[in-house]
Amino acid sequence: NAGVTQTPKFRILKIGQSMTLQCTQDMNHNYMYWYRQDPGMGLKLIYYSVGAGITDKGEVPNGYNVSRSTTEDFPLRLELAAPSQTSVYFCASSGTVNYGYTFGSGTRLTVV
Amino acid sequence: AQSVTQPDIHITVSEGASLELRCNYSYGATPYLFWYVQSPGQGLQLLLKYFSGDTLVQGIKGFEAEFKRSQSSFNLRKPSVHWSDAAEYFCAVAANQAGTALIFGKGTTLSVSS
Repeated sequence: NAGVTQTPKFRILKIGQSMTLQCTQDMNHNYMYWYRQDPGMGLKLIYYSVGAGITDKGEVPNGYNVSRSTTEDFPLRLELAAPSQTSVYFCASSGTVNYGYTFGSGTRLTVV
Repeated sequence: AQSVTQPDIHITVSEGASLELRCNYSYGATPYLFWYVQSPGQGLQLLLKYFSGDTLVQGIKGFEAEFKRSQSSFNLRKPSVHWSDAAEYFCAVAANQAGTALIFGKGTTLSVSS
């Protein structure tokens, strides 16, 4: 099925470790987003991209990095993981706003 | 900048009763408005969206929402709640231009009692 694929689904990291959350979409969407979800806080925008080679910070970018070398892929990099990065991470994409946003199934990350 | 407020953190409704979840937004122009539902441990599913035109929009699973510009509101309604509707509901807003990110409210958790 066409959509947004996130891997891994679950991950436990130790403090100070690094990892990359993968996000791939096969809908040829220009726009891609990374959100984190914490209980009672809704979803907060981490980074977004309006096309290959273009990225920008969202509301909570500290501790994260992204790249967009292709239209399909938008990986999120965590360097020096901290307990505050324990969260559920969602990737999303959109062609235009009128077409809506498609979300991946999420990555549940625990930093211990 | 846009913002979204969902005043109710948690609501309990009896099965078969009607439901209204509140959403207020802040945005200078007419925004794009969305309601998403999230079941425990699951991703987000789009219930409905408003871009323009008829201010009463119909969505999936029997939900509807009404855009009221004068009140900056986009409340979600359902005439008869089913136990399977228990979930967390998020209202979201986006500026009316391509590529803008969704801004989410903090969510309302719906419990359904029998």
